[in-house]
Amino acid sequence: AQKITQTQPGMFVQEKEAVTLDCTYDTSDQSYGLFWYKQPSSGEMIFLIYQGSYDEQNATEGRYSLNFQKARKSANLVISASQLGDSAMYFCAIGSPQGGSEKLVFGKGTKLTVNP
Amino acid sequence: EAGVAQSPRYKIIEKRQSVAFWCNPISGHATLYWYQQILGQGPKLLIQFQNNGVVDDSQLPKDRFSAERLKGVDSTLKIQPAKLEDSAVYLCASSVQRGRETQYFGPGTRLLVL
Repeated sequence: AQKITQTQPGMFVQEKEAVTLDCTYDTSDQSYGLFWYKQPSSGEMIFLIYQGSYDEQNATEGRYSLNFQKARKSANLVISASQLGDSAMYFCAIGSPQGGSEKLVFGKGTKLTVNP
Repeated sequence: EAGVAQSPRYKIIEKRQSVAFWCNPISGHATLYWYQQILGQGPKLLIQFQNNGVVDDSQLPKDRFSAERLKGVDSTLKIQPAKLEDSAVYLCASSVQRGRETQYFGPGTRLLVL
């Protein structure tokens, strides 16, 4: 069974600073994907970034980057130059191929608060 | 491109009543997912459809929950009868079935069972 652990229930960061949100995972699959989603108070899950287990380079998407350490089974999200609009819940998820699509298992999330 | 649509956005019912949620995925997306998100937790997959066939419903409480996607497009999730512990946000997501594809989520339906 796959499992995601997010050990930081809440994080605080000053506007314009960088912040790292931790994520560790457990899986017996050789091929898997790691995802980060943002959930504002409105409730919608917004896709941020994806890392494949065989990808050699860390994924980057604008201000988001994923620090992937396969041996440590960690996939931390780094947000650079934080903005007030980044305040939200952040979920890490692991996916395994099933029927040609992903079956995602999510962690419990980290609540990020950006202070002005 | 229109996103995943869900309705209603909010629903309040009493226990033992029935309720239904509707989801319309992004056009052309073959895979549709229903998730349950209880307060303070991450989403949990309830059921996954590939076109109009069920791929995975291992975590769907089948004694009270049912879902269908008859024409391979929109989908309905039903709870009958509802219990207090069903209070949650029900999220619908869709993805293009072309290998590893990102799931795109709708705004969710917030259900409160009294």
